[in-house]
Amino acid sequence: GAVVSQHPSWVICKSGTSVKIECRSLDFQATTMFWYRQFPKQSLMLMATSNEGSKATYEQGVEKDKFLINHASLTLSTLTVTSAHPEDSSFYICSARSGIGNEQFFGPGTRLTVL
Amino acid sequence: AQKVTQAQTEISVVEKEDVTLDCVYETRDTTYYLFWYKQPPSGELVFLIRRNSFDEQNEISGRYSWNFQKSTSSFNFTITASQVVDSAVYFCALSERPWGGAQKLVFGQGTRLTINP
Repeated sequence: GAVVSQHPSWVICKSGTSVKIECRSLDFQATTMFWYRQFPKQSLMLMATSNEGSKATYEQGVEKDKFLINHASLTLSTLTVTSAHPEDSSFYICSARSGIGNEQFFGPGTRLTVL
Repeated sequence: AQKVTQAQTEISVVEKEDVTLDCVYETRDTTYYLFWYKQPPSGELVFLIRRNSFDEQNEISGRYSWNFQKSTSSFNFTITASQVVDSAVYFCALSERPWGGAQKLVFGQGTRLTINP
């Protein structure tokens, strides 16, 4: 089956720094990638949808200047949390959808802890 | 707007018992997909099933079965003869406009299932 990887799997950073998370589709081309956030013991909430080569579409309440998303190629999307604060600590999960089918494949997630 | 409700926040049963996880959804679309995912402590989502809105047949896969009822907008999940390894958080999700469009997934709140030995 299709494989989606995320890097890093976990990261600890100081408040005020920026953190970049990568999401890669390893064996298929992803025309659309999604970024979700999951706080402890809560559900997954969609943050944004990104299509290759175009600007991401952010969900209501998600600051686009804080969560920068780049989908520069058909196999890579990045999420940069700028000037991270402790309240940004969360589990970030990406998913990727190929242009051929309608399956959405999830990455293993990245656990971000901001001190 | 679409919405998925999993009213059971936590369920705890003894091993070998059968357990049903409830999922109720709301959507104005006539074409949509419903999903179940398992999230073990590692955090990675494990895909269990996808069902489109035109297929109301129940499905069985080993100890897992799903009951889709459009009349009550429900898509319930039953584990038969539960095992300790079934302990996880289970999410029900809905996707509208599966053919083209953004195909965003809307997740329910999740049900934390604990199977005790």
